[in-house]
Amino acid sequence: QQQVKQSPQSLIVQKGGISIINCAYENTAFDYFPWYQQFPGKGPALLIAIRPDVSEKKEGRFTISFNKSAKQFSLHIMDSQPGDSATYFCAASLEGSNYKLTFGKGTLLTVNP
Amino acid sequence: EPEVTQTPSHQVTQMGQEVILRCVPISNHLYFYWYRQILGQKVEFLVSFYNNEISEKSEIFDDQFSVERPDGSNFTLKIRSTKLEDSAMYFCASSPFSIPNGYTFGSGTRLTVV
Repeated sequence: QQQVKQSPQSLIVQKGGISIINCAYENTAFDYFPWYQQFPGKGPALLIAIRPDVSEKKEGRFTISFNKSAKQFSLHIMDSQPGDSATYFCAASLEGSNYKLTFGKGTLLTVNP
Repeated sequence: EPEVTQTPSHQVTQMGQEVILRCVPISNHLYFYWYRQILGQKVEFLVSFYNNEISEKSEIFDDQFSVERPDGSNFTLKIRSTKLEDSAMYFCASSPFSIPNGYTFGSGTRLTVV
């Protein structure tokens, strides 16, 4: 019930391409869906987040698409750059749980120059 | 930009020994968290702490774990008798309020139990 499933495990994209990472969740009570970016040796850093009352949120080159009925959400990185190479985690949380985060397993993104 | 500071960055300990991982959250934050990440795996919630008490803990956070905010600035995680499977990266996080928009993670302590 608390799981968040993330795919793919790894992704290689050419510079300028679109990177797409998908996540699916089970608990319909989740009400906050962030994406975190993690560089080696660093902690996760919030990239972008969405609540289930909207279907899409865009911040610069990063877009979250949210499909409530399918219980899926995805991260799209447009015009991918080598500096975007990192591990990306989707997560979910719900109010009333002190907003503890349930993370997906992560996607290692490599953007080739 | 304010940071969550964790020390040490890497600790090696013998199985059965006690370790204390230290964190200095951002000064005006009220909510504190510990997460861990076993190498190559997902980040897992351990415990949340608010108003000087544990507000929630996971099934991982058993009796060998404890947290403390001893002096109003530090936030510590103690593992009483370490096991090999405790080897992981431990992340501290803090937030000014109870929504994760404000979550800031530290850079982590890599704990290696030998």
